Amino acid sequence: EPEVTQTPSHQVTQMGQEVILRCVPISNHLYFYWYRQILGQKVEFLVSFYNNEISEKSEIFDDQFSVERPDGSNFTLKIRSTKLEDSAMYFCAARRWGVGQPQHFGDGTRLSIL
Amino acid sequence: DQQVKQNSPSLSVQEGRISILNCDYTNSMFDYFLWYKKYPAEGPTFLISISSIKDKNEDGRFTVFLNKSAKHLSLHIVPSQPGDSAVYFCAAKVAGGTSYGKLTFGQGTILTVHP
Repeated sequence: EPEVTQTPSHQVTQMGQEVILRCVPISNHLYFYWYRQILGQKVEFLVSFYNNEISEKSEIFDDQFSVERPDGSNFTLKIRSTKLEDSAMYFCAARRWGVGQPQHFGDGTRLSIL
Repeated sequence: DQQVKQNSPSLSVQEGRISILNCDYTNSMFDYFLWYKKYPAEGPTFLISISSIKDKNEDGRFTVFLNKSAKHLSLHIVPSQPGDSAVYFCAAKVAGGTSYGKLTFGQGTILTVHP
């Protein structure tokens, strides 16, 4: 069983539309993250989430972005009004408690904004 | 953001030989380092990590070396196998304090192992 499952694998959306990306970590993960990778660029941190609130966010994570964990299992990233530059691979990651615990990544959602 | 750099975009190695992937960092606050492997259409998969209090960590064919004074780490794979062909990412984080473990990634190195 994968540590983290992401859906959908590919999302195509018109510019200006809202999009929700979903992530389901297996149980006993306490820390959750979203990263993105624009084609040809580095993997970039977006946001971390712990104890049902945002613990840290990057400059990229502006008011258009939000995260929540509505039912204790799904962890979602919402982009309210998508822009062309939001096109990227979005990776969810999760880790267990403990300094030496690594983050486990999902296979990502490729978001294409038209 | 150039805090973590992998200066070699690609590396080609013969099967059975050693692969050495390098990574440099600039942020002195980093104290935990990880290597991830990524195949096409998959997410990064954790390989091996090292704390800044160590200079070497070994796991099977994979060994990570850390040189804190040079702010440099390397991943050694020996012997290399064709299945090791993938993109390898170096990542670093600041442990403790207000950090919740966000990772800062290098650009990645494409490793190709030829049979």
